[in-house]
Amino acid sequence: DVKVTQSSRYLVKRTGEKVFLECVQDMDHENMFWYRQDPGLGLRLIYFSYDVKMKEKGDIPEGYSVSREKKERFSLILESASTNQTSMYLCASTSPPGQSDYEQYFGPGTRLTVT
Amino acid sequence: EDKVVQSPLSLVVHEGDTVTLNCSYEVTNFRSLLWYKQEKKAPTFLFMLTSSGIEKKSGRLSSILDKKELFSILNITATQTGDSAIYLCAVEANNAGNMLTFGGGTRLMVKP
Repeated sequence: DVKVTQSSRYLVKRTGEKVFLECVQDMDHENMFWYRQDPGLGLRLIYFSYDVKMKEKGDIPEGYSVSREKKERFSLILESASTNQTSMYLCASTSPPGQSDYEQYFGPGTRLTVT
Repeated sequence: EDKVVQSPLSLVVHEGDTVTLNCSYEVTNFRSLLWYKQEKKAPTFLFMLTSSGIEKKSGRLSSILDKKELFSILNITATQTGDSAIYLCAVEANNAGNMLTFGGGTRLMVKP
């Protein structure tokens, strides 16, 4: 029962390349998030979106941009990849908060290596 | 700046032991606190806590929130090797998009 999918599990890119990471959810969730996870740093929020064409910066948006043209799809873009963007990228989506059936799901993650 | 601190950083126990993981937080406009279990894949949602003093329980796992003292604990009783994982605590703020702030995690290893 697929809920959140990410376009790639592993990705290797060169410095300066433009990188697209795609996330798709099939739960009709409004809220979607992009995180990166690095050892010892937990999950850090890059960007989030609470509606189509809406986006908000998270804690570490520098070097990233996002696109939400359709409700089910939230894309993370690295305009010019750098080695310090080597990381595990996780996408998540959530149902509306404050409800008893609140749910949150993560995608499987994309491990990006920039050489 | 919102902050979530987990302790201990790592823990090694033997099967059958009981463990308590701690999470303290400072956040503006607190909405909820969430616990996740992370193995070699994306985090798995465990609990969401919004009210103080009400214990949530799922099998051998339980969690409680103290909104006055700004912390939560996650208890695991009768631990098993399958409980070995990183346990993440996150706090959700009451704002547009409901941003999450994650702690650094507690790495739990359960030995046979």
